[in-house]
Amino acid sequence: GDSVTQMEGPVTLSEEACLTINCTYTATGYPSLFWYVQYPGEGLQLLLKATKADDKGSNKGFEATYRKETTSFHLEKGSVQVSDSAVYFCALSDQGRSQGNLIFGKGTKLSVKP
Amino acid sequence: KAGVTQTPRYLIKTRGQQVTLSCSPISGHRSVSWYQQTPGQGLQFLFEYFSETQRNKGNFPGRFSGRQFSNSRSEMNVSTLELGDSALYLCASRTTESTDTQYFGPGTRLTVL
Repeated sequence: GDSVTQMEGPVTLSEEACLTINCTYTATGYPSLFWYVQYPGEGLQLLLKATKADDKGSNKGFEATYRKETTSFHLEKGSVQVSDSAVYFCALSDQGRSQGNLIFGKGTKLSVKP
Repeated sequence: KAGVTQTPRYLIKTRGQQVTLSCSPISGHRSVSWYQQTPGQGLQFLFEYFSETQRNKGNFPGRFSGRQFSNSRSEMNVSTLELGDSALYLCASRTTESTDTQYFGPGTRLTVL
């Protein structure tokens, strides 16, 4: 079945460092891809999404490009802030196969130190 | 526009009891999905409702059930609680069952003692 694999955490960075969180997926259809962020004690917030190959999602300085050839959707940010400390989840939604329910990776905890 | 709301935010129950969680979707959203989040299993899909009908179901035992009302509000019920049911239960809504983006509520933290 469909699945998402993302890099294990935790990831600890200094403020203004560059961030990359790797995410790869397995899907037989043409899924939409998402990054969600979860701050302590809260639910999930949609960070960005891409719906087809070569699409780039971006929001709040974060970017991710839908790479069908490598089945990847890596999350990047050029300069992280302390306020970016959170858990990041990569997810896919395959409307054809799974009727659109989200399949998540295990999550990557990011800690940014001042 | 108000976001997805869930009540209660925190709940403590004992084994064998049952519990009902509530979710109000974003206004105009007619699809509601439920997810369970645990440290061991991560985020797992429970079920989805659209127009008061269950459209999709994850791999959970029959103790987990839900329903949706005509105003799109949804409830999730867990009967005969087990220790392993302790989790954060998240509700998500989307406009219809065919739109891809889901918006999540803050969750209900259930602790089973």
